This record gives sequence, structure tokens and C-alpha cells, in this order.
Amino acid sequence: QLQLQESGPGLVKPSETLSLTCTVSGGSISSSSYYWGWIRQPPGKGLEWIGSIYYSGSTYYNPSLKSRVTISVDTSKNQFSLKLSSVTAADTAVYYCAITAMAGAWFDPWGQGTLVTVSS
Amino acid sequence: EIVMTQSPATLSVSPGERATLSCRASQSVSSNLAWYQQKPGQAPRLLIYGASTRATGIPARFSGSGSGTEFTLTISSLQSEDFAVYYCQQYNNWPPTWTFGQGTKVEIK
Repeated sequence: QLQLQESGPGLVKPSETLSLTCTVSGGSISSSSYYWGWIRQPPGKGLEWIGSIYYSGSTYYNPSLKSRVTISVDTSKNQFSLKLSSVTAADTAVYYCAITAMAGAWFDPWGQGTLVTVSS
Repeated sequence: EIVMTQSPATLSVSPGERATLSCRASQSVSSNLAWYQQKPGQAPRLLIYGASTRATGIPARFSGSGSGTEFTLTISSLQSEDFAVYYCQQYNNWPPTWTFGQGTKVEIK
């Protein structure tokens, strides 16, 4: 059974780049035909899909964030990563990684989430 | 872009009563709709996919219905552990996009 765990800095300065990693256990990220995704949730607010990467490397991003987002896969470490550039306080959120089994599918399972605060 | 709208924002229900949550899509999503439950400090948990199929381990008191643009999540008899925030989500097949509703909080009346 696949399990996910987010990791990365909990504090990022405004204008810098937020970088997070999701480590996959219970299966190989390169051999599974999944979409590996990132979702965020600002404190007290709802969920926002950030983007997803197919195991082949194709990426799909939320149009509202597309200009600042890069998602990549590191098969040697069984991880996928999120980079969000030029962050502001509005990017403060809990960031989740999650899996979808195909393009037209739901997110399951999810990681536990990690809080990233943007502040100087 | 498909916009998902949930109503009401907050639903006050007594334990043992039925709760009915609504979700509307700005354009047809067929049956490509999921429901999630989120409790404070926890990641969302998948309840329903395909608009009406319960995920593994989800109690039968949770049921989903609808297609196209109108969807409903019904909790037949609220238990104490069901008080939480519920999100609907559409998953478009191509190009892959995923959009969440803003959530409905189910609170104790």
C-alpha cells in the first residue's frame, strides 16, 4: 500500500522559492502509472490543487499558479518535488502530496501535510 | 475552468439526524466527482468517488448521488465522529484538472 510523506522547510522568506519533497513508500514511483500531485490549504481555508506529474514526466498545473510552479520526479530517491517561486504571505499553507490512479480520478492516499509559513 | 460551489457553508445537525450536503459544478462533470471528509489537523479522507461509490472502509451511512452539475452527499444518521468539514472535488479526464468546492462544515446543533 502506497504511503506518502512530505518534507521541507517550514519557513520561507518572501520572494524566495518554496521547495518541498514527497517521499513514496510501499511502491516504486517509476513503475506505477499514477499521477503524483500537490494540494495546499491556507490556514482556515479550503483546498487548492497546485499541480500533478504523470510517472512518465508529463506535468499539469493549476492555471492560477502555473507561472510559478515546477513539479518533478526523482526516481532514484522514489520522490517527487514541488517548487513554488516568488512566494508571498498568500502562499502560507499546509501542503499535501497525494496520488491519483489516472487522469480522471480522485486523490487517495494523501500525505499528512506540512505547514509552510512565508514570513521574513 | 470548472467552479465547484458547495452549500450550505455550515450545517448544524443533532447527533442521529440526517445531513444533506450539496455540490454544484459550473459545467457538467458527468460522474467525475469525489467527496472528502477533513477533521482538524488531519489530511482529507476519501469518502465517495464516481459520485456514488463509497471508498474502502467507509460506513454505509455515507451515500452520494447526482450527475452532471448537481451532487449530494447524505449522512443518514450523524455520529459524533462525523462532525467535520466536507469537500467535493471534480476530476476532469483531459486535460487533467482537479477542482475543489469551498467546503461545508457539519457542526453539532
